[in-house]
Amino acid sequence: DAKTTQPPSMDCAEGRAANLPCNHSTISGNEYVYWYRQIHSQGPQYIIHGLKNNETNEMASLIITEDRKSSTLILPHATLRDTAVYYCIVRVGTDKLIFGTGTRLQVFP
Amino acid sequence: NAGVTQTPKFQVLKTGQSMTLQCAQDMNHNSMYWYRQDPGMGLRLIYYSASEGTTDKGEVPNGYNVSRLNKREFSLRLESAAPSQTSVYFCASLLERQGLGYTFGSGTRLTVV
Repeated sequence: DAKTTQPPSMDCAEGRAANLPCNHSTISGNEYVYWYRQIHSQGPQYIIHGLKNNETNEMASLIITEDRKSSTLILPHATLRDTAVYYCIVRVGTDKLIFGTGTRLQVFP
Repeated sequence: NAGVTQTPKFQVLKTGQSMTLQCAQDMNHNSMYWYRQDPGMGLRLIYYSASEGTTDKGEVPNGYNVSRLNKREFSLRLESAAPSQTSVYFCASLLERQGLGYTFGSGTRLTVV
């Protein structure tokens, strides 16, 4: 089963881009990379996912390296509301999501 | 969170008591999940149900039972609560198709004293 490694915490100034890295060196060819975030103690919120191409939606961009061993979630203009724990997850088996400890992003004024 | 409803939101139990956490989704999703989250930790999968009538163990199933009552509802039961089960419990659902995100409920905060 592929696992992910993320830094435990990061800081980012409001209005700047937040770049959150994730390593998943044992990922299989058909496994997707998902990103979720959890604001305070709410339920996790889906952000974005990808297989091997870069992806962008209204919330963020996902950059996956060519060898797929790592990825970066980019929040282009971080706001205070983006302060949260961000989870990088590789989908295991048919559909289970296994969470790690994530990266705690603190956006400061 | 829209679509997945958990009840109750808060509960205090005494050691040895039993209770059932309820979860319902109105999105016609096939798969449903129960996670627990301890303070400062990530979510851990307790049980999941890939479809109505089927359930499977996750990472930490001991001390819990589940029931997939129908496509909408997936309940989690603690038969004899222990202080180690003090946690926040999240229910989630997924339309079984690769590439779609999960929808999570807002959680149940359970304290066992």
